[in-house]
Amino acid sequence: DAEITQSPRHKITETGRQVTLACHQTWNHNNMFWYRQDLGHGLRLIHYSYGVQDTNKGEVSDGYSVSRSNTEDLPLTLESAASSQTSVYFCASSEGGDTQYFGPGTRLTVL
Amino acid sequence: GIQVEQSPPDLILQEGANSTLRCNFSDSVNNLQWFHQNPWGQLINLFYIPSGTKQNGRLSATTVATERYSLLYISSSQTTDSGVYFCAVVSGTSYGKLTFGQGTILTVHP
Repeated sequence: DAEITQSPRHKITETGRQVTLACHQTWNHNNMFWYRQDLGHGLRLIHYSYGVQDTNKGEVSDGYSVSRSNTEDLPLTLESAASSQTSVYFCASSEGGDTQYFGPGTRLTVL
Repeated sequence: GIQVEQSPPDLILQEGANSTLRCNFSDSVNNLQWFHQNPWGQLINLFYIPSGTKQNGRLSATTVATERYSLLYISSSQTTDSGVYFCAVVSGTSYGKLTFGQGTILTVHP
């Protein structure tokens, strides 16, 4: 069955370190998205991609970057982790404007 | 950008009760999805419903796009229905990008 996976599921890091969160989907979807979920803010869009070599900034993109070198993967990089980036991160994918499917999430703690 | 408001923010039920969750949105939408986030944090797709009515077991949803709202009905609730229910929409100018409401926290007691 097609799926979307994220790794790691849990990560603890220190302020200032670079961190990369992986997202891999086997749906063969063109669209991929990264969201963060915080208490009091719901889920907010960080970055998104409509295809290989395409990346775009979302609502809360400062301090994050993505790259899309193939259809299946959209890694999210925190260039210099900050305590404000402690959150739960969700990756999602969709084809066109259809149903968006979410991964299991990564819980990131920045100390 | 589009605004999404969900009500009520919290709902407490006894097992077996029925409930209705509401989602209002401020602009026309191309996509509307309902999700259930279980106590383990997983986001589960319930419905893709930009318009019309759909049913899946004890759950059903109706979206009236012209009046900019959607309703999620849960009948004969069970303790496993507990969690947070999110409505999320894609507006006409935001191809593929979901905007989430704040969610309704549902607690079902045995």
